[in-house]
Amino acid sequence: AQKITQTQPGMFVQEKEAVTLDCTYDTSDQSYGLFWYKQPSSGEMIFLIYQGSYDEQNATEGRYSLNFQKARKSANLVISASQLGDSAMYFCASKGGSTLGRLYFGRGTQLTVWP
Amino acid sequence: SQTIHQWPATLVQPVGSPLSLECTVEGTSNPNLYWYRQAAGRGLQLLFYSVGIGQISSEVPQNLSASRPQDRQFILSSKKLLLSDSGFYLCAWSVGATTGYEQYFGPGTRLTVT
Repeated sequence: AQKITQTQPGMFVQEKEAVTLDCTYDTSDQSYGLFWYKQPSSGEMIFLIYQGSYDEQNATEGRYSLNFQKARKSANLVISASQLGDSAMYFCASKGGSTLGRLYFGRGTQLTVWP
Repeated sequence: SQTIHQWPATLVQPVGSPLSLECTVEGTSNPNLYWYRQAAGRGLQLLFYSVGIGQISSEVPQNLSASRPQDRQFILSSKKLLLSDSGFYLCAWSVGATTGYEQYFGPGTRLTVT
């Protein structure tokens, strides 16, 4: 089974600052993947970044990076140089070898970027 | 490039009425397809997934059903809607099921049952 915990219902950050969104996971799978999605007010889920459990390097995609700490079972998303357009709901998700491709999502963090 | 379509975008239906939501994917073959529901202010709950035509797996027992009549078409249905069926329904696809494959989501259907 997979469980994702996002403990921050809401986060606020000033434009151009960096922000970290927390995610912890619980899985019994040896091989698993961790994902972050962004959901703006329009509702569409936008894939941001992926980290595999065997990847030694933290994943990066432009201004997004994933701070993967396997021993702590955490996969925090770091957004550098925040922009007003980053205001959205952010979801952490996981899937493992036993889940047959199914993604398990956390409850999300609402990020608000202010000028 | 691949695209995923969902319709309708919004729907208001009375309790007890039937439901049919459609999802189609373009630009790929034999995708894995998924239906999720998102209640207001909540995360996504997987409802159904399909690895091929006519192959449907259900995650949560409910009055909803899914079908995959064609390779790139996924339909979510109900014979009689309940108030609790209100929510945002998202269809997603992926190339594969193993851990490294991300899912791509459609624009969603916002369903309100009155």
